[in-house]
Amino acid sequence: SAVISQKPSRDICQRGTSLTIQCQVDSQVTMMFWYRQQPGQSLTLIATANQGSEATYESGFVIDKFPISRPNLTFSTLTVSNMSPEDSSIYLCSAGTEVAFFGQGTRLTVV
Amino acid sequence: KNEVEQSPQNLTAQEGEFITINCSYSVGISALHWLQQHPGGGIVSLFMLSSGKKKHGRLIATINIQEKHSSLHITASHPRDSAVYICAVRSLQGAQKLVFGQGTRLTINP
Repeated sequence: SAVISQKPSRDICQRGTSLTIQCQVDSQVTMMFWYRQQPGQSLTLIATANQGSEATYESGFVIDKFPISRPNLTFSTLTVSNMSPEDSSIYLCSAGTEVAFFGQGTRLTVV
Repeated sequence: KNEVEQSPQNLTAQEGEFITINCSYSVGISALHWLQQHPGGGIVSLFMLSSGKKKHGRLIATINIQEKHSSLHITASHPRDSAVYICAVRSLQGAQKLVFGQGTRLTINP
């Protein structure tokens, strides 16, 4: 099993600013995933992050808005850039391709 | 039509009742996951299934690959079981990505 520590757990941010979310895994994992969950909706995959390569973004998500870093096999960050109220969501990181492990989520409110 | 459909969307029951949540999917899968999401947003993986049935405590998960259907059962439900339960499938297409159902919001009243 793996334990994923995600922070911050929540934040309230001003529009136009950026927030970086961090995920630390207690073991080495090849692939990490970043998801967004808008209010009342299910999870939507933003991008897949492999160590040592550019993240792969899903349709509707771009690197300029959601830059991702994956400097090693235990850590990744997602930045939500130039935020607007529409970015208010829960953001989750995940790891594991067999059993799915998730971080605790970051509840972001943009005002 | 979503690739993963859950029912019901909302379920309220009394403590002690037997709970069933259903999940149907329309794609070929390598595995199906049942997840539990608490109000803070964090998600816990309950089961991963590729065939048959699994049991953990009061939770039972079954899958019928031919019918593309899975169920999550909770026996002797308790208020602490109140959460959103999410079905997710790992599609055979799409590079190991998970496709999520809309979730079932379960409320167990004392």
